[in-house]
Amino acid sequence: EVQLLESGGGLVQPGGSLRLSCAATGFTFSSSAMSWVRQAPGKGLEWVSTIGGSGASTYYADSVKGRFTISRDNSKNTLFLQMNSLRVEDTAVYYCAKAFSSSHWFWDYWGQGTLVTVSS
Amino acid sequence: IQMTQSPSSLSASVGDRVTITCRASQSISTYLNWYQHRPGKAPKVLIYAASSLRSGVPSRFSGSGSGTDFTLTISSLQPEDFATYYCQQSYIAPWTFGQGTQVEIK
Repeated sequence: EVQLLESGGGLVQPGGSLRLSCAATGFTFSSSAMSWVRQAPGKGLEWVSTIGGSGASTYYADSVKGRFTISRDNSKNTLFLQMNSLRVEDTAVYYCAKAFSSSHWFWDYWGQGTLVTVSS
Repeated sequence: IQMTQSPSSLSASVGDRVTITCRASQSISTYLNWYQHRPGKAPKVLIYAASSLRSGVPSRFSGSGSGTDFTLTISSLQPEDFATYYCQQSYIAPWTFGQGTQVEIK
């Protein structure tokens, strides 16, 4: 059974940093692209970042480019999101999601999310 | 690519047929997915590639469309279907979602 378990969320002041983790089980982690998707309070889903299976390819939304860094440790089946220079507007539930890829791709499994609150 | 859903919310009764539309700001062929999101739960994919039903998803859900205009249909609304539904384009990064359609109980 595929499971994704996020951790590392919490309260941080504007300008601060936080590192999110996502522990993955139940599939061949190194073969799957992984993403972070967030949902701000009262808002819709927003894609944040994606990393390829080997970690060589990374993609970012413009809203986080230069501040957030996605990475992975395939030996530990863990995905990370290093968030620096946090802003109030980064407050959201952050989900990690596994990508299923064939001729089309979609996110086939999601974690339960971890809440990040940026506030003074 | 901007994704625009309509309506933003709707009220319906159990057994009703529900249709949600999604429009892309440019052609995305059939690179369109639909997700269901219940409060406090993980989002769940329902339809991928515009019209392919994800394994394990009830057949009352269906998707159609290509190019810029897409539709998600729930043929007979069930109590567990009350949720927010999002379309998402997988054509090109940045991957974008529609703003969501909240389906509420009438």
